[in-house]
Amino acid sequence: DTEVTQTPKHLVMGMTNKKSLKCEQHMGHRAMYWYKQKAKKPPELMFVYSYEKLSINESVPSRFSPECPNSSLLNLHLHALQPEDSALYLCASSQDGTSGMNTGELFFGEGSRLTVL
Amino acid sequence: AQSVAQPEDQVNVAEGNPLTVKCTYSVSGNPYLFWYVQYPNRGLQFLLKYITGDNLVKGSYGFEAEFNKSQTSFHLKKPSALVSDSALYFCAVRGNTNAGKSTFGDGTTLTVKP
Repeated sequence: DTEVTQTPKHLVMGMTNKKSLKCEQHMGHRAMYWYKQKAKKPPELMFVYSYEKLSINESVPSRFSPECPNSSLLNLHLHALQPEDSALYLCASSQDGTSGMNTGELFFGEGSRLTVL
Repeated sequence: AQSVAQPEDQVNVAEGNPLTVKCTYSVSGNPYLFWYVQYPNRGLQFLLKYITGDNLVKGSYGFEAEFNKSQTSFHLKKPSALVSDSALYFCAVRGNTNAGKSTFGDGTTLTVKP
């Protein structure tokens, strides 16, 4: 069983809706990530938070807005999405932040499957 | 820039036979290498990693991988495949100068037939 919990597991939204994806980990990890994954493709990095600060934004459109309220929680706020944004959104965490020697493996949640109509 | 190549989209093996899933990488500096497995409709699960030390790394579920610096490879192996090993496997690399960003290969679908 994964120790990274993502909710909801499934989400269907219209292009004018506002919704949020949530992620929680209690492993004491200081780096948290959002990835987007299309079917049978590798995960694509979107955002990295290190010690609760945004450290990497992979030029993600502003209709995706990340938030890290504390070291255990990570949100992804969604607004005015397009049908091509439909995908599996994966949250991950790793032991150390990006400042320093982050050699740790990623722990992934089960993902939130998003469908944009 | 760092990159990973998984030259086989699909690997088919019979149950009980050994399996190999290939991975080659390109990175500046010393590589940190990882294998992940993804079952249908699930997230990725970590299998094993190479950071330093012995070139043969042992991981979860009987998997192992061999780091070969001269060939820049990190092939995943298992002596005896199980039907339950059927899944999508991703190799990933992180350079020690690019902390926080792992680059994934395109993935290899392993099918183990009874």
